[in-house]
Amino acid sequence: DIQMTQSPSSVSASVGDRVTFTCRASHYIGHWLAWYQQKPGKAPKLLISTASTLQSGVPPRFSGSGSGTDFTLTISSLQPEDFATYFCQQVNTFPRTFGQGTKLEIK
Amino acid sequence: QVHLVQSGAEMKKPGDSVKVSCEATGFTFTTYYFHWVRQAPGQGLEWMGIMNPTDGVTTYAQKFQGRITMTRDMSTTTAYMELSSLTPDDTAVYFCARDRDGYDVWGQGTLVTVSS
Repeated sequence: DIQMTQSPSSVSASVGDRVTFTCRASHYIGHWLAWYQQKPGKAPKLLISTASTLQSGVPPRFSGSGSGTDFTLTISSLQPEDFATYFCQQVNTFPRTFGQGTKLEIK
Repeated sequence: QVHLVQSGAEMKKPGDSVKVSCEATGFTFTTYYFHWVRQAPGQGLEWMGIMNPTDGVTTYAQKFQGRITMTRDMSTTTAYMELSSLTPDDTAVYFCARDRDGYDVWGQGTLVTVSS
């Protein structure tokens, strides 16, 4: 199975900050990576597919990059509604493994 | 509007089985693969398996092999996930999701609680 490792596991930041999360795959996955945002008690929301494709309706302050084994999700200027947990998922092979998540908290 | 609507919360005893439904509306049922993902309380996301609604072909995570079954009813555009031999470790919210190189549409989740 491909292991997905996210870092950091949690981060504190302020409104207006720029934050970057990383996700590393244990094997090559090309650009087959998705990023999700999850708020408590809700289903995850797809933000980015194929490493860098922003989903319709997702604000442009979110961006994704990377390929191969190393990926990043960047939020250029944090808004209050962005405080949540973020997961990456490789969609290259089965099982479709997720990272353990990065919790973004208000400083 | 595009929706996946799941069945309600379930309380089960160890050894029981549970069958969760996921009704698709607002899009062509056979166009997208369906996945099931679960999330134990306070934990991350765990992929369980995938079903092709056109032919019913499935692939399951090794962890669930032998006790998971994914099916569908094309007349009602509903996908099902049945998990047997439940233990308290199966207590989780179970989600169905539509696959578009990532899960762009999710059900609202079904809480399954396993307790004696």
